[in-house]
Amino acid sequence: GENVEQHPSTLSVQEGDSAVIKCTYSDSASNYFPWYKQELGKRPQLIIDIRSNVGEKKDQRIAVTLNKTAKHFSLHITETQPEDSAVYFCAASIRSGGGADGLTFGKGTHLIIQP
Amino acid sequence: KAGVTQTPRYLIKTRGQQVTLSCSPISGHRSVSWYQQTPGQGLQFLFEYFSETQRNKGNFPGRFSGRQFSNSRSEMNVSTLELGDSALYLCASSLSPRAEQLFFGSGTQLSVL
Repeated sequence: GENVEQHPSTLSVQEGDSAVIKCTYSDSASNYFPWYKQELGKRPQLIIDIRSNVGEKKDQRIAVTLNKTAKHFSLHITETQPEDSAVYFCAASIRSGGGADGLTFGKGTHLIIQP
Repeated sequence: KAGVTQTPRYLIKTRGQQVTLSCSPISGHRSVSWYQQTPGQGLQFLFEYFSETQRNKGNFPGRFSGRQFSNSRSEMNVSTLELGDSALYLCASSLSPRAEQLFFGSGTQLSVL
């Protein structure tokens, strides 16, 4: 089955700096890669996702890049703000006309924004 | 539109007991999946239901089971509870199994003593 590795487990950055979280996956059939943000005591929420036919996707201060050959994808947050403090999870799955499987998540990255 | 609703919010059980958790998806969403979240293992996929049928299953023992009703509401059951079953159980709904965006509920925090 799919295996997703996520690094680092904790990331502390100064407010205004950029943050990068990296994930690798094992199953070359995976074609959908979402990122979820979970604030303390709250539910995970989708912040951005990318499909395997796209190399990069941006949404304001957030971007995701995908390297299918190396089987890794990364989340980039620019101009970090205090409200970016949370745990971020990457995930991988197969989404196709034939169906879909469950999301395989990385173990999460605790992002701390220092004032 | 109401979000995904999970009940109860908290549960305390003892080893050997069984438990049933409930999930009401967003109106119009027909796919419901369940995840277990623990500090050590993170988020792990349990199973997914669509049209009252289990479509996918994760790598969990048979003590974990679920079902879906005709109104898309879902329940999951854990029998013969073990200490290691203590976790936050999250339900997520989507329009269909192939839909990309999952909407999570707030979860049920299960403590097994």
